[in-house]
Amino acid sequence: DAGITQSPRHKVTETGTPVTLRCHQTENHRYMYWYRQDPGHGLRLIHYSYGVKDTDKGEVSDGYSVSRSKTEDFLLTLESATSSQTSVYFCAISALGGTEAFFGQGTRLTVV
Amino acid sequence: DQQVKQNSPSLSVQEGRISILNCDYTNSMFDYFLWYKKYPAEGPTFLISISSIKDKNEDGRFTVFLNKSAKHLSLHIVPSQPGDSAVYFCAASNYGGSQGNLIFGKGTKLSVKP
Repeated sequence: DAGITQSPRHKVTETGTPVTLRCHQTENHRYMYWYRQDPGHGLRLIHYSYGVKDTDKGEVSDGYSVSRSKTEDFLLTLESATSSQTSVYFCAISALGGTEAFFGQGTRLTVV
Repeated sequence: DQQVKQNSPSLSVQEGRISILNCDYTNSMFDYFLWYKKYPAEGPTFLISISSIKDKNEDGRFTVFLNKSAKHLSLHIVPSQPGDSAVYFCAASNYGGSQGNLIFGKGTKLSVKP
């Protein structure tokens, strides 16, 4: 299995609070992605990174920010969590952009 | 506007028969396509991929077919096994254009009945 660790695995937070999800990889892959999975929507790309300090928006980036200060870590921040951000969040990594990506186990986030 | 479409939310197949999962895309810039399988409470796992320079790729029981003119790809599983029951996602990218993002469809839930 690809070395990807997501933390936390589960989190319940209150509306309006900031939340940071962490993705850590040991594969030294250049590309890292954050997706959310929701019923009826499949996997939707939030943000992705193609190198340290190089990030770009996906299709559902509003309300989210990301940072990548080291190759191995990609952080997803919800500045002020809303109930619509209740979801399962997946991190993925790939050596080459747009090719086979390997996913983490997911983080289930509930905003109450 | 969905760029990758999986129009069948679910599919039920008898064990031993063929499963055919379909995917359509709208962006003509896509040149690399992938299939993922996902079990509940787990992350998606990569199954098989195909480049736009090919029209078929095979890996064991799994074969992906690409019809570029129709902007359509399909995943064939032969023979289907109960352990294949999962949600299958189709994904696409503009690899040749160095775009790093993978765009996924909504998924098709496959049930293989013993």
